[in-house]
Amino acid sequence: GAVVSQHPSRVICKSGTSVKIECRSLDFQATTMFWYRQFPKQSLMLMATSNEGSKATYEQGVEKDKFLINHASLTLSTLTVTSAHPEDSSFYICSVRQGSSNQPQHFGDGTRLSIL
Amino acid sequence: QQQVKQSPQSLIVQKGGISIINCAYENTAFDYFPWYQQFPGKGPALLIAIRPDVSEKKEGRFTISFNKSAKQFSLHIMDSQPGDSATYFCAAGNTDKLIFGTGTRLQVFP
Repeated sequence: GAVVSQHPSRVICKSGTSVKIECRSLDFQATTMFWYRQFPKQSLMLMATSNEGSKATYEQGVEKDKFLINHASLTLSTLTVTSAHPEDSSFYICSVRQGSSNQPQHFGDGTRLSIL
Repeated sequence: QQQVKQSPQSLIVQKGGISIINCAYENTAFDYFPWYQQFPGKGPALLIAIRPDVSEKKEGRFTISFNKSAKQFSLHIMDSQPGDSATYFCAAGNTDKLIFGTGTRLQVFP
C-alpha cells in the first residue's frame, strides 16, 4: 500500500495566489522529508530537506521565502508556494525517509501545479 | 562532482528482451545507488538499490550491476514486459541526499 500521501494531486490557480501542498507519511514517523520539483520530461531536482521541528535546508538557488516548508509533526510536511507565477508551474513531489539516514526514500504521487 | 549521467534517453525493446540502462557518477563519496520507476502522473517508485560493497544485486527480473572503479552502474530488466514501459531514473548519493539522472523512457512492445 501507499507509504506517502500527497495532496492535492492537481491544482490550477491564478497568478499571485499562494498554494499549499501537503505530504503525509502513512506508515511510519518521518523525521526527514524531501521536496522535489520536476519539469516535464526532466529529472527530479531536490528543492529542500525538511526536518521535523527545525528549519528546512534549501538547495542552492531555491528561494526559501518563495517556497515555505513546514514540518510540524512526524507525519506531515507542507510546501507553500507563495505568490505563485506561471514559471512556478511544475510537478512537485515529496518523499519520506524512515528513521536513520540508512533507509531509502519513498515518494508521493506528486502535485501538478498550474499557474494561469 | 554532483552530476549523474544516464543513457540512453529512450529505449525501445521487444517483449521478452533485455532492457539495459546505464549511469555514471563522479563523486566517489556516494555510497547509495537506487533505481526508480515512474509512470506518467505518478511519483517515482523504488525498484532496487545497491551499495558499493557489492558488484551485483538481483531482485526478480531486475538486476543492478555496479563497477566502483569505473564509477558506473546499470539496470538490467530481464524478460521485459509491456507493463515495464515507464521512465526509469537512476540516482546516486546517500540517503540524506540523492542526485537523479536525466531519466530513460522505456517502451516495451508486444
